[in-house]
Amino acid sequence: DTEVTQTPKHLVMGMTNKKSLKCEQHMGHRAMYWYKQKAKKPPELMFVYSYEKLSINESVPSRFSPECPNSSLLNLHLHALQPEDSALYLCASSQRQDNYNSPLHFGNGTRLTVT
Amino acid sequence: QKEVEQNSGPLSVPEGAIASLNCTYSDRGSQSFFWYRQYSGKSPELIMFIYSNGDKEDGRFTAQLNKASQYVSLLIRDSQPSDSATYLCAAMNRDDKIIFGKGTRLHILP
Repeated sequence: DTEVTQTPKHLVMGMTNKKSLKCEQHMGHRAMYWYKQKAKKPPELMFVYSYEKLSINESVPSRFSPECPNSSLLNLHLHALQPEDSALYLCASSQRQDNYNSPLHFGNGTRLTVT
Repeated sequence: QKEVEQNSGPLSVPEGAIASLNCTYSDRGSQSFFWYRQYSGKSPELIMFIYSNGDKEDGRFTAQLNKASQYVSLLIRDSQPSDSATYLCAAMNRDDKIIFGKGTRLHILP
């Protein structure tokens, strides 16, 4: 079991739909992350929030919109996605973004399929 | 592009033997290094991390870091079939981003 909880576990959406992925942690971590992972590829960093402020956006298309309502919650809003956006979306948290002694703790991921 | 490199494998190791996984990184400013295990269809699971030169041991696992050579390794002693997975090496670079290598597939032969 993981201490980072992601919902839903699976999501199928059409290209015109709007949906949101949710992530929650109660470890008191102050950094939260979104990674995208395609099959047989490593996780790719999308966004980082540090102390509830967006600190890194890895040039992600605007059809992905992150939100951090508070220190425990992280959302990823999806709109007008393309089939190539189908992937495993991983949320992670760490104590602090800039602490070398602070590994990522991943949730179980959301398997997204865009039709 | 600051990269983390791993041999994709598969690396086949007999049960009970030592599995040795290697990783190199290009950003000399990288501060700490992480090993994750990922089973097919699952999320990455932290095995251990290291930020000082030398060895760090945790049970059957030993991480080794050589900053001069920009080289990180993971040794798994007494390999078990349940160790069969993809092992991801990751580095925190000078921009405080944690970047992953492509992973090494490890297969433990019963």
